[in-house]
Amino acid sequence: QVQLQESGPGLVKPSQTLSLTCTVSGGSISSGSYYWSWIRQPAGKGLEWIGRISTSGSTNYNSSLKSRVTISVDTSTNQFSLNLSSVTATDTAVYYCARWPTGTGSFDYWGQGTLVTVSS
Amino acid sequence: QSALTQPPSASGSPGQSVTISCTGTGSDVGGYSYVSWYQQHPGKAPKLIIYEVRKRPSGVPDRFSGSKSGNTASLTVSGLQAEDEADYYCSSYAGSNTFVVFGGGTKLTVL
Repeated sequence: QVQLQESGPGLVKPSQTLSLTCTVSGGSISSGSYYWSWIRQPAGKGLEWIGRISTSGSTNYNSSLKSRVTISVDTSTNQFSLNLSSVTATDTAVYYCARWPTGTGSFDYWGQGTLVTVSS
Repeated sequence: QSALTQPPSASGSPGQSVTISCTGTGSDVGGYSYVSWYQQHPGKAPKLIIYEVRKRPSGVPDRFSGSKSGNTASLTVSGLQAEDEADYYCSSYAGSNTFVVFGGGTKLTVL
């Protein structure tokens, strides 16, 4: 059973960079045909896809965040990461990592989510 | 504002059926057979309950069913149970520029 777990600071100051890591367990991040994604959800609001990475390192980002987002993968540690720069209060949200099987358009496994608050 | 339109709320009594709609465009829902539905209980991560319009992952009860007509997808929950009370989100693949879009979510109340 694949499990994903987000980790990182829960509080980030405005204008700084938000950095989160997702650790994948129960299987190799390199096995199978998957993309590894980040999704966020502001309190009381809907879901927003941030971006994805393949195990070969190919990335795709939400066009509204593209200028501030970097997603990377470290297959040796079975982790992938999110960096979101120049954050403001509107970036406050629960951030989820999730697995996207290629050719399905869906997210079949999710992390439990981590709340990141942007505040001075 | 979400790319896909869902009603903010829906309700039904135990044992009844409820259908939740998800309206997009020909560039997402209408253009691909990659509509998914997620169930989210308070404080929990979303859970995939329908993928590729009508397929159910292993372990999801067959009380949950999906369909699509044109630019509108639908999730039907039959034989409502108390544990079905949750938020439901649709999503769709939207091509190689936008990739994926979500609906704003529907809060399902079991009366």
